[in-house]
Amino acid sequence: DVKVTQSSRYLVKRTGEKVFLECVQDMDHENMFWYRQDPGLGLRLIYFSYDVKMKEKGDIPEGYSVSREKKERFSLILESASTNQTSMYLCASSFGQGHGYTFGSGTRLTVV
Amino acid sequence: GDSVTQMEGPVTLSEEAFLTINCTYTATGYPSLFWYVQYPGEGLQLLLKATKADDKGSNKGFEATYRKETTSFHLEKGSVQVSDSAVYFCALMEYGNKLVFGAGTILRVKS
Repeated sequence: DVKVTQSSRYLVKRTGEKVFLECVQDMDHENMFWYRQDPGLGLRLIYFSYDVKMKEKGDIPEGYSVSREKKERFSLILESASTNQTSMYLCASSFGQGHGYTFGSGTRLTVV
Repeated sequence: GDSVTQMEGPVTLSEEAFLTINCTYTATGYPSLFWYVQYPGEGLQLLLKATKADDKGSNKGFEATYRKETTSFHLEKGSVQVSDSAVYFCALMEYGNKLVFGAGTILRVKS
């Protein structure tokens, strides 16, 4: 069964910490995405990547960065966590244009 | 820019009732349209999709028809079950393989 695996289901971090959220897919997909999900706002795109070492800003990239050193792994980095980054973070991957995404189970991050 | 508008929830139904969740979109071209479902504590799963006007996507008893003239992609099911309780997201994909999501609609089905 194909999978997108996010390393943590729940995380609690302190304000100002550097936070790494890891995502691994086993489907050989070119495209990978990071979204955050907040009640009433749906899913908002933070960053995406169409290839190794390639990254593009989404709609809300401020306060985040990403790394894609290998095709199967796409990491989201919160450079200095703040309380307004408390959210559910969802990673997804896709084969390409017109194809749906496969999502991970999500990481619920709380910044205190 | 592209956007998706869904009916606000929560929608509360009794088991075996008919379900409609409205979805309309704004796009400059001819997007592909999707419905995703999120069960409690899980990530999103693709439920169905349609890639061109008048296409009907279907899966697990759910259906949605791509209506270009009304820019809509309403989700329907003839008889809901308690196990259908979840959050449903409508989404479109126009350029660059990027999905744009609606805010989501919570469905609660009572036995």
